[in-house]
Amino acid sequence: GDSVTQMEGPVTLSEEAFLTINCTYTATGYPSLFWYVQYPGEGLQLLLKATKADDKGSNKGFEATYRKETTSFHLEKGSVQVSDSAVYFCALSDLYNFNKFYFGSGTKLNVKP
Amino acid sequence: EPEVTQTPSHQVTQMGQEVILRCVPISNHLYFYWYRQILGQKVEFLVSFYNNEISEKSEIFDDQFSVERPDGSNFTLKIRSTKLEDSAMYFCASSAEISSYEQYFGPGTRLTVT
Repeated sequence: GDSVTQMEGPVTLSEEAFLTINCTYTATGYPSLFWYVQYPGEGLQLLLKATKADDKGSNKGFEATYRKETTSFHLEKGSVQVSDSAVYFCALSDLYNFNKFYFGSGTKLNVKP
Repeated sequence: EPEVTQTPSHQVTQMGQEVILRCVPISNHLYFYWYRQILGQKVEFLVSFYNNEISEKSEIFDDQFSVERPDGSNFTLKIRSTKLEDSAMYFCASSAEISSYEQYFGPGTRLTVT
């Protein structure tokens, strides 16, 4: 079945450091891929998405490229800020199963000033 | 900006008791979902709801669970007889279209069963 695996956290970085959070997926169909972010006390917010292979999603300086050959969707940011501290969730939805999202377990990012 | 809201933010209940978790989806959305996240584990799909009926449910969503849209604005998840293993964060989500890919999530309700 479909599933998502993302790197364990927490990840602790200094401000302006480079961020990578790894995400790999297993899917039987043609998934769309997402990164959601959860700030303390808030809901899950869509950060970026990619709906087909080689698409790059980007938002707020974050990027992720849909790599079908490596079944990956790693999240990157060139220079993190303290305000980026949150939990990041990788997720997929299948073309033939729009109802369901499959999530990774989340990666907590702590950015120190 | 419209948002999904959930109440309460934290619910503590004793094993065997019934709980109702409440959600107010975004007003023009038609598709509604519940997910849960047991501490340290993945966010898991529970159920989707459209046109006043369940459109899909996971194997987690057994007879102890039910969902309802009682008044056109609220969307509730009821757990009939809670177990210790029901302790989790429960997220409600809604979307405007089934093919929009984007689901809007609420802040979650933390359920603690003692």
